[in-house]
Amino acid sequence: DGGITQSPKYLFRKEGQNVTLSCEQNLNHDAMYWYRQDPGQGLRLIYYSQIVNDFQKGDIAEGYSVSREKKESFPLTVTSAQKNPTAFYLCASSMDGLGNYGYTFGSGTRLTVV
Amino acid sequence: RKEVEQDPGPFNVPEGATVAFNCTYSNSASQSFFWYRQDCRKEPKLLMSVYSSGNEDGRFTAQLNRASQYISLLIRDSKLSDSATYLCAPQGGGNKLTFGTGTQLKVEL
Repeated sequence: DGGITQSPKYLFRKEGQNVTLSCEQNLNHDAMYWYRQDPGQGLRLIYYSQIVNDFQKGDIAEGYSVSREKKESFPLTVTSAQKNPTAFYLCASSMDGLGNYGYTFGSGTRLTVV
Repeated sequence: RKEVEQDPGPFNVPEGATVAFNCTYSNSASQSFFWYRQDCRKEPKLLMSVYSSGNEDGRFTAQLNRASQYISLLIRDSKLSDSATYLCAPQGGGNKLTFGTGTQLKVEL
């Protein structure tokens, strides 16, 4: 079955550490996205990529970095520069980067700073 | 004006009731519109696309009003299992989807 897989499901980070969240899709989708969701709030776009080896900042990119070396993979690194990283992180993909087909989401990673 | 606005609710309705949500959007150039369902602590899942002519999927009907720039979702014969948060997602700037903050529905016995 095609889908989008995020790992790990839960992640605990110490202050000052960088952590990387994995996102893999086997849907052959061109575009991939990273969102952050805080309790009781909407989805905020961190980074997105419409094609391999290219990505753009979203609305809240500060303190985050990404790479898109393969079509299937779009890992997100939460750096120590992100001052309030505790949140639910969602990766999504879409057939094109034009918003015509809707997005498919992974099951998310809950990141907690300890 | 926010790009996407939804009444956060909660909408508390009895089983079997009909309930409707609206979502207003600001980008008049939007061509694609979607409704997502999000259960507590889970990822959003695509519920249905919204076409210009409106569309229906079982108990769910989605409509688009371009003149007033809103989309609606109607749920008939509500079930307990319909309890969730419903997010609207119109196509926004840069052709990316812009998600609303969601409307919470609670269906009660």
